[in-house]
Amino acid sequence: GAGVSQTPSNKVTEKGKYVELRCDPISGHTALYWYRQSLGQGPEFLIYFQGTGAADDSGLPNDRFFAVRPEGSVSTLKIQRTERGDSAVYLCASSLILRDNEQFFGPGTRLTVL
Amino acid sequence: AQSVTQPDIHITVSEGASLELRCNYSYGATPYLFWYVQSPGQGLQLLLKYFSGDTLVQGIKGFEAEFKRSQSSFNLRKPSVHWSDAAEYFCAVGAAGGNKLVFGAGTILRVKS
Repeated sequence: GAGVSQTPSNKVTEKGKYVELRCDPISGHTALYWYRQSLGQGPEFLIYFQGTGAADDSGLPNDRFFAVRPEGSVSTLKIQRTERGDSAVYLCASSLILRDNEQFFGPGTRLTVL
Repeated sequence: AQSVTQPDIHITVSEGASLELRCNYSYGATPYLFWYVQSPGQGLQLLLKYFSGDTLVQGIKGFEAEFKRSQSSFNLRKPSVHWSDAAEYFCAVGAAGGNKLVFGAGTILRVKS
């Protein structure tokens, strides 16, 4: 079956602009995660959804970052007033809510803020 | 707080040689441990995972890892490396029931012929 998909694959924007990044999880996966991977680093957790609600948003760096999952499937990560430091690969993952917490990752969206 | 340390940023091995990638973790309870591989332009692929039971776990592509609680380690091994194994490898720790993963900074594996 289809894996996790993310669009766009690349996004170039200018400092101060607003961007939206989309994630389509694996069908039937109730948990959805966003991570950010900066150059030379491992992925860092941003936010985790169980169904429609954000169960843990402790990784969002500031109030410019916001994510939604209104119908419990597709999620959108929204970044306002982008800064050059927001440049990174944004990864989405999904999983079943099971004991083993195996997360399946999408290919990521590479965001470049000029 | 949870943390993962991968001491080696880069490792170079000859094709056919054995491989060991180190991972040390800090976690307050029994950890769930994972190894992922990331090839250029690709997403993260799960190699193997440990939750409980046998401390030696087998994964895909001939990889295995051993959980050593006394050393807080979960090292990844492969007896004979292939050129196609060149990639970046990430160790991660998480909790049960769906929760965030904490990743190490990664180890870049280069394979020389």
